[in-house]
Amino acid sequence: EIVMTQSPATLSVSPGERATLSCRASQSVSSNLAWYQQKPGQAPRLLISGASTRATDIPARFSGSGSGTEFTLTISSLQSEDFAVYYCQQYTKWPFTFGPGTKVDLK
Amino acid sequence: QVQLVQSGAEVKEPGSSVKVSCKASGGTFSTYVFSWVRQAPGQGLEWMGGIIPVFGAANYAQKFQGRVTVSADESTSTAYMEMSSLRSEDTAVYYCARNWNDEAFHFWGQGTLVTVSS
Repeated sequence: EIVMTQSPATLSVSPGERATLSCRASQSVSSNLAWYQQKPGQAPRLLISGASTRATDIPARFSGSGSGTEFTLTISSLQSEDFAVYYCQQYTKWPFTFGPGTKVDLK
Repeated sequence: QVQLVQSGAEVKEPGSSVKVSCKASGGTFSTYVFSWVRQAPGQGLEWMGGIIPVFGAANYAQKFQGRVTVSADESTSTAYMEMSSLRSEDTAVYYCARNWNDEAFHFWGQGTLVTVSS
């Protein structure tokens, strides 16, 4: 199975600052990489698929990049509603594995 | 508008089984991938298995192979996840999810809390 890792585990950011989250795959997943946001008590929400394509209604401050084994999610100017846990996931082959998550909290 | 509505919370005794449903509306059913994702309290997301209803055969994470059955009923547009031999470590929220134009999970159910306790 493809193992996904994320760094850092926790990212402390002030509102308005830029946040950069990293995700690494144990083998190439091409561009079959998604990012999800999850807030407490809620189901995850798709932010990015295809490594860089924003999902429906996702604000432009969220952007994704990378291919192969190294990926990045950038939040250009953090808003209060962006404090959450972010997961990456590969869907190049089953099992569709998730990373352990990065918690973005208030600095 | 695609909606996935899951069945309600369950409390089960160790050793028993649970079956969670996920009813889809707002789009075609049979040609999309329906997956099940588990989240234990305070933990991350764990993919359990998935199915494309028109093909019928499910695929499972090795950890759940033999103990989890994912199925789908095209006549009612409902996907199911059944887990047997429940233990306390299976206490979690179970989500169904569906893809759209790629295999990412574009749509999610609201989650079903399964509590395993004697």
